[in-house]
Amino acid sequence: QKEVEQNSGPLSVPEGAIASLNCTYSDRVSQSFFWYRQYSGKSPELIMSIYSNGDKEDGRFTAQLNKASQYVSLLIRDSQPSDSATYLCAVNDGSNYQLIWGAGTKLIIKP
Amino acid sequence: DGGITQSPKYLFRKEGQNVTLSCEQNLNHDAMYWYRQDPGQGLRLIYYSQIVNDFQKGDIAEGYSVSREKKESFPLTVTSAQKNPTAFYLCASSMATQETQYFGPGTRLLVL
Repeated sequence: QKEVEQNSGPLSVPEGAIASLNCTYSDRVSQSFFWYRQYSGKSPELIMSIYSNGDKEDGRFTAQLNKASQYVSLLIRDSQPSDSATYLCAVNDGSNYQLIWGAGTKLIIKP
Repeated sequence: DGGITQSPKYLFRKEGQNVTLSCEQNLNHDAMYWYRQDPGQGLRLIYYSQIVNDFQKGDIAEGYSVSREKKESFPLTVTSAQKNPTAFYLCASSMATQETQYFGPGTRLLVL
């Protein structure tokens, strides 16, 4: 059974600090990795995708991928209360046409 | 204005009734998906379609049916065989499978 694991949280971070969200996956042949944000009662929205080892930055967000260790992380700099949401990690299944989803980490940014 | 629409936003089902959830996209995407999300849970794949007139079962297809007669449309029917249908239903699409998925606003299904 291929899995994507995330700490369910809640992860509480002070406003202005760096929030660090982690995700590990079991499928060694996965090539595509995605971070989505989901506000309560709303649908997921894409934050970032990453395909190569290393860091990818987009504004206050940085995705980090380490295929050898099979983990992907998301850093949020200068955290704002509006960043409070559940963050979902998704990884492509190397053997079929699906994405494998983590259960999400609930992030709370405290003013 | 491109995007994915789902209707209705809320749907109430009576016992023994079949109900159909609508999903339409104007992004010219080939692939479309239906997910179910229960409170505090992740996304579980019900059905997906890579191309018109073709669809595949996901992890929890029992009690559900779909059709893909047009590229833009991928309706989901929740049949009376689905005994616990209360959930948040999400439709998504992507250019191709395993690429970035974009979601509609969702339909919340409740049982009367």
